[in-house]
Amino acid sequence: GAVVSQHPSWVICKSGTSVKIECRSLDFQATTMFWYRQFPKQSLMLMATSNEGSKATYEQGVEKDKFLINHASLTLSTLTVTSAHPEDSSFYICRATGGGGGVSETQYFGPGTRLLVL
Amino acid sequence: GQNIDQPTEMTATEGAIVQINCTYQTSGFNGLFWYQQHAGEAPTFLSYNVLDGLEEKGRFSSFLSRSKGYSYLLLKELQMKDSASYLCAVRDDKIIFGKGTRLHILP
Repeated sequence: GAVVSQHPSWVICKSGTSVKIECRSLDFQATTMFWYRQFPKQSLMLMATSNEGSKATYEQGVEKDKFLINHASLTLSTLTVTSAHPEDSSFYICRATGGGGGVSETQYFGPGTRLLVL
Repeated sequence: GQNIDQPTEMTATEGAIVQINCTYQTSGFNGLFWYQQHAGEAPTFLSYNVLDGLEEKGRFSSFLSRSKGYSYLLLKELQMKDSASYLCAVRDDKIIFGKGTRLHILP
């Protein structure tokens, strides 16, 4: 089946630095990628939706200047947390789809990236 | 508004059966999903219901009643590895996740 990878799986950084997280679809073309954030014991919260070659659509309350999303190719999307602060520490997960809207596409989550900001 | 409710935690015994309920209120409906999520990992897909009724897949079954805004996930012959969070999610124009039910399996 389709595989979605994320890199890095773990990152620890100092407050004020920027962190880039990559999400790759390994064997299919991902026309749409979704970025989620999950705090401990909380649900997955959708942050933004990105379509290849266009600007991301951010959910209400998510700062687009702080969470920069780039979806420059059909296999790669990046999320950059700029000037990270301790409250940004969370589990970031991407999900990729080929745009057909089928059930199988809902399965393709990346393994997640755990960010800890000191 | 959009709302998905499921119990926060449940406990069951190895070998037993457990039912995890989910109720939802959404502006639209294009299917309901159940995911399993182990601590520190991404969710993995378990089931999908778009029509009323029961979908069975091995030890796991999922039921949907659209008129009642209700679904349940039934896990049979529980194993220790089933200890995880179970997320109910509804697709409207996007997929909305519930907060998850943490299932503890006792030996």
